[in-house]
Amino acid sequence: EVQLVQSGAEVKKPGESLRISCQASGYTFTNFWITWVRQMPGRGLEWMGRIDPTDSYANYSPSFQGHVTISADKSTGTAYLQWTSLQASDSAIYYCARLKTLVPRGPVVALDFWGQGTLVTVSS
Amino acid sequence: QLTQSPSSLSASVGDRVTITCRASRGISDYLAWYQQKPGKAPQLLIYSASTLQSGVPSRFTGSGSGTDFTLTISSLQPEDFATYYCQQLNTYPPWTFGQGTRVEIK
Repeated sequence: EVQLVQSGAEVKKPGESLRISCQASGYTFTNFWITWVRQMPGRGLEWMGRIDPTDSYANYSPSFQGHVTISADKSTGTAYLQWTSLQASDSAIYYCARLKTLVPRGPVVALDFWGQGTLVTVSS
Repeated sequence: QLTQSPSSLSASVGDRVTITCRASRGISDYLAWYQQKPGKAPQLLIYSASTLQSGVPSRFTGSGSGTDFTLTISSLQPEDFATYYCQQLNTYPPWTFGQGTRVEIK
């Protein structure tokens, strides 16, 4: 059974750093890209970026480029989302998800399995 | 850019419900639909515009290609009251989502 299990809720102060995690199981981690999605309180879904766990190549939405870092550890099957300096506007739920392709390494067609979400609260 | 409509709707159990998603440029069939219930992660319903994800009830259908897409629920069930999102995944990211459609009980 494919599962993505995310780390628990975090409460941080502005300017602090943070790394949240997404532990994959039930499939070969390096066969599928992982992506991150933000959902601010009461708002819709925003695509942030993706990573290829094979070589840790990542690319980002322009809205998030330079503010977050996506990484992966293929030895543990874990993806990460990291901030070096949090802002109050980073308060949101963050989801990781697996990217579905119809053929190995083919075009992405959907986000097929999702983590349960990690709530990040940034407040002074 | 994806424009989803309506932003919300009220419907009764058994109703036929249609949600539309319009892309600002052609995206072939690189469109997916998701359902999100309060406090839960989104779940994939349909990919490649019209292919039902495994385990999703057949009352959900997707159609369209190019710039105009629809999600139809043929007979609304109590468990279908949720928010629905479309997402375009055409070639290179960013892969944007629509604004969402909240389906409420009439």
